[in-house]
Amino acid sequence: DAGVIQSPRHEVTEMGQEVTLRCKPISGHNSLFWYRQTMMRGLELLIYFNNNVPIDDSGMPEDRFSAKMPNASFSTLKIQPSEPRDSAVYFCASSLGGAGYEQYFGPGTRLTVT
Amino acid sequence: QQPVQSPQAVILREGEDAVINCSSSKALYSVHWYRQKHGEAPVFLMILLKGGEQKGHEKISASFNEKKQQSSLYLTASQLSYSGTYFCGTESADNYGQNFVFGPGTRLSVLP
Repeated sequence: DAGVIQSPRHEVTEMGQEVTLRCKPISGHNSLFWYRQTMMRGLELLIYFNNNVPIDDSGMPEDRFSAKMPNASFSTLKIQPSEPRDSAVYFCASSLGGAGYEQYFGPGTRLTVT
Repeated sequence: QQPVQSPQAVILREGEDAVINCSSSKALYSVHWYRQKHGEAPVFLMILLKGGEQKGHEKISASFNEKKQQSSLYLTASQLSYSGTYFCGTESADNYGQNFVFGPGTRLSVLP
């Protein structure tokens, strides 16, 4: 199995630009998680989907962030407009049955907003 | 609410043992443990469910005291490959399936 796939692996953009991060979960997994990791704030859960439906989006920082999961094999996390404080590593993870199951993490996208 | 981990960091010599603790102010349904090496993604180690079940993974084991809302990760005869940051993740018992949150992490360095 290819594992969780994320793209791009690195993204450098200027403040104010739109950024779209992509994730393909492991086939057969019905839950998908988006995390943000920084030195200051650690590993934060942004949003969690189960069967393509957002279950917990309490971690989404503000309206500039949005996430979609149009089907079981694809999800996007969009930041519009981006700000320097959004610079972080964004991980996508998937699991077989929700938050209580083993989560498989993708390699992450390192975002730098200048 | 984020669980608390202790210690924040620990340095060991190869072959020594370590204990990493995780505690929450909320009633927990499960505790998860992950390890993240520098520049890599977190990797699952084990899940402990309500009931105090102790699980093991190679020379790494863990316990879960649901009454105290605490979990401990035990690393015995540590190896160089154990170096990394260990995160506990907790799932709240009163909001099952939601409110999964990781602790701040414990950085473990194993020296030769």
